[in-house]
Amino acid sequence: QLQLQESGPGLVKSSETLSLTCTVSGGSITSGPYYWGWIRQPPGKGLEWIGSIYYSGSPYYNPSLKSRITMSVDTSKNQFSLKLASVTATDTAVFYCARHPPGATESFDHWGQGTLVTVYS
Amino acid sequence: QSVLTQPPSVSGAPGQRVTISCTGSSSNIGAGYDVHWYQVLPGTAPKLLISDNNSRPSGVPDRFSGSNSVTSASLAITGLQAEDEADYYCQSYDNSLGGYYVFGTGTKVTVL
Repeated sequence: QLQLQESGPGLVKSSETLSLTCTVSGGSITSGPYYWGWIRQPPGKGLEWIGSIYYSGSPYYNPSLKSRITMSVDTSKNQFSLKLASVTATDTAVFYCARHPPGATESFDHWGQGTLVTVYS
Repeated sequence: QSVLTQPPSVSGAPGQRVTISCTGSSSNIGAGYDVHWYQVLPGTAPKLLISDNNSRPSGVPDRFSGSNSVTSASLAITGLQAEDEADYYCQSYDNSLGGYYVFGTGTKVTVL
């Protein structure tokens, strides 16, 4: 059974870079035509797609966050990662990692439990 | 940044039918992109409930169904049960700004 688990610091200082990792278990990150994505949910607000990446690279990002995002994959560890630069309090959110097939019409079929990241000043 | 609009809340008694609307525009639902629905229980990961407008993944009860119109979609829950009390989100794709996945504003379903 495929499982995804987010990890990283729960507190990040304003203006610094948020770094999270998603570890995939129960399956290989290189198997199947799947993209691996990040979604966030600020407290009391809705879900927002951040970006997605294929195991061989080729990330694509939400236009509203594109200038601050870097995503990468480590196939040897079956992990993919997110870096969000220059964070502010508005970046405080629960961050989820998830899987989806390639294509505009696709859904996110497996999700991690989510991890809360709080930006403080 | 939600471009798909949902009612903040809906409620119903056990056994009743409730529907949740998801209103988009010509750059997302109206452009023909599929709509998917997720159920989010407190403290748990979002669960794919309906994919490709009206398909239920394995294990999802047939009490849940989806439908589409021109620029909107709907999720119906029939025979409402206490365990259905959760937040529900629609999701699609928007082809503006180069293209990106979009989610709805979310709807809290309360079982009275």
